[in-house]
Amino acid sequence: EGQLVESGGGLVQPGRSLTLSCAASGFIFDDYAMHWVRQAPGKGLEWVSGISWNSRSVGYADSVKGRFTISRDNAKNALFLQLNSLRTEDTAFYFCARDRRPMFQGGDALDIWGPGTMVTVSS
Amino acid sequence: QSVLTQPPSVSGAPGQRVTISCTGSTSNIGAGSDVHWYQKLPETAPKLLIYGNDNRPSGVPDRISGSKSGTSASLAITGLRAEDEADYYCQSYDISRSGLVFGGGTRLTVL
Repeated sequence: EGQLVESGGGLVQPGRSLTLSCAASGFIFDDYAMHWVRQAPGKGLEWVSGISWNSRSVGYADSVKGRFTISRDNAKNALFLQLNSLRTEDTAFYFCARDRRPMFQGGDALDIWGPGTMVTVSS
Repeated sequence: QSVLTQPPSVSGAPGQRVTISCTGSTSNIGAGSDVHWYQKLPETAPKLLIYGNDNRPSGVPDRISGSKSGTSASLAITGLRAEDEADYYCQSYDISRSGLVFGGGTRLTVL
């Protein structure tokens, strides 16, 4: 069926950086686009970023554009999210999720999700 | 303010039918982008319930269904059960934002 497991979350001060990782298993990783989705405490789901199967196409929510960078290593079945210039409003549970298609434009569904990793931005 | 609009809450008694609406615009649902639905329980990852407007992944019971018309979509759950109590989110793709968009979520309470 496939499995995703995130890591790298934690407590970080405003303005600092953090890198999240997502390890994929049980499916052919480079057949699919991948995404990061977050949920702040008491809030709804928010799409953060997406990347196509071959890394040639990436996209970001306006709230993180210019601060976050998505990348992937197909040889290692891994997805990453570099979080720079962190703000208190970035505090959230971060989920990685698999797109049903190789390209994320057009918006297919996210069919496999990891359990998430918590990022807390606080001084 | 979410790009897709959902009611904050809905409720129903066991065995009843409830629907959750998801209203978008001509830059997402109305532009032909598909709508997908997720169930979110506390402390767990979202679960895909409906993809491509009205398709169920394997394992999702047929008492759960989806539909789309114009700039809106709906999720229907019949034969309500206690375990259906959760938050539900719609998702689509927004052409003007070049990215995925979610609804604000709807809390379903089984009375």
